[in-house]
Amino acid sequence: EAGVAQSPRYKIIEKRQSVAFWCNPISGHATLYWYQQILGQGPKLLIQFQNNGVVDDSQLPKDRFSAERLKGVDSTLKIQPAKLEDSAVYLCASSYTSSGPMNEQFFGPGTRLTVL
Amino acid sequence: GDSVTQMEGPVTLSEEAFLTINCTYTATGYPSLFWYVQYPGEGLQLLLKATKADDKGSNKGFEATYRKETTSFHLEKGSVQVSDSAVYFCALRWTGGFKTIFGAGTRLFVKA
Repeated sequence: EAGVAQSPRYKIIEKRQSVAFWCNPISGHATLYWYQQILGQGPKLLIQFQNNGVVDDSQLPKDRFSAERLKGVDSTLKIQPAKLEDSAVYLCASSYTSSGPMNEQFFGPGTRLTVL
Repeated sequence: GDSVTQMEGPVTLSEEAFLTINCTYTATGYPSLFWYVQYPGEGLQLLLKATKADDKGSNKGFEATYRKETTSFHLEKGSVQVSDSAVYFCALRWTGGFKTIFGAGTRLFVKA
C-alpha cells in the first residue's frame, strides 16, 4: 500500500512569511497527526485529528499555526507568520485508529522548513 | 509530566559489535513503549514495541524488554551491520490513544 505522502520536501522562507505543508495519509486511516521535530530533538505532537475533528491541539501555537483536515482525508498545516524558531522538520503520520491494536502510526518523510 | 530519556549519541560501532541504547521513562501508570528508527531522508518507522511489563519486543535482530522496576526499555542487538546506521527514538504512548512522547533520539554509526 502507498505510504503517507507529504509535500513539499524542503522549504526555505524569510521570517514573517507564510508557509503551508500538505499531507495525504494512508487510505482508510482515520487518525492523522502533525509533529514538529527540531534538530537534535524527538518529534513533538502539534495536532491530532480523528477523521476531520481535532482530538488534541494542546501544543499547537495557535497564534501562528493552523491546521485543517478537509473531508477527513488530506490535511494542511500552515504557519503565518513564521519565526526563526519554527525551523524544523514537520512530520505527518496516520493510523487506522487512535487506540487499540490498530493504532500503529505510519510516518511520512517530512518537510524540512528553514526560516531565515 | 511524562517523559522519555535516552542516551546521547552519536554511538559509533564497528560492524558485528554489540549494541545497547539506553532508554528510561517517567510516567504515572504503565504506558506502551516503542522504538522507532529513522534512516537518512526517511520518516520514522516502528521498529518494535511492548505493551506491558516484562514483554519483549523484537524485530530485525533488535530487542527490548519492558522493565517496570527500573522504568527502562533498552534497545539491544547482538551484531550490528552498516545498514543499521540511523537515528533511534524511544517513545511511550498511553493505550487510550493520546499523544506519543518521544525521546531526543540516538544516532548510530556503524563502520565497515
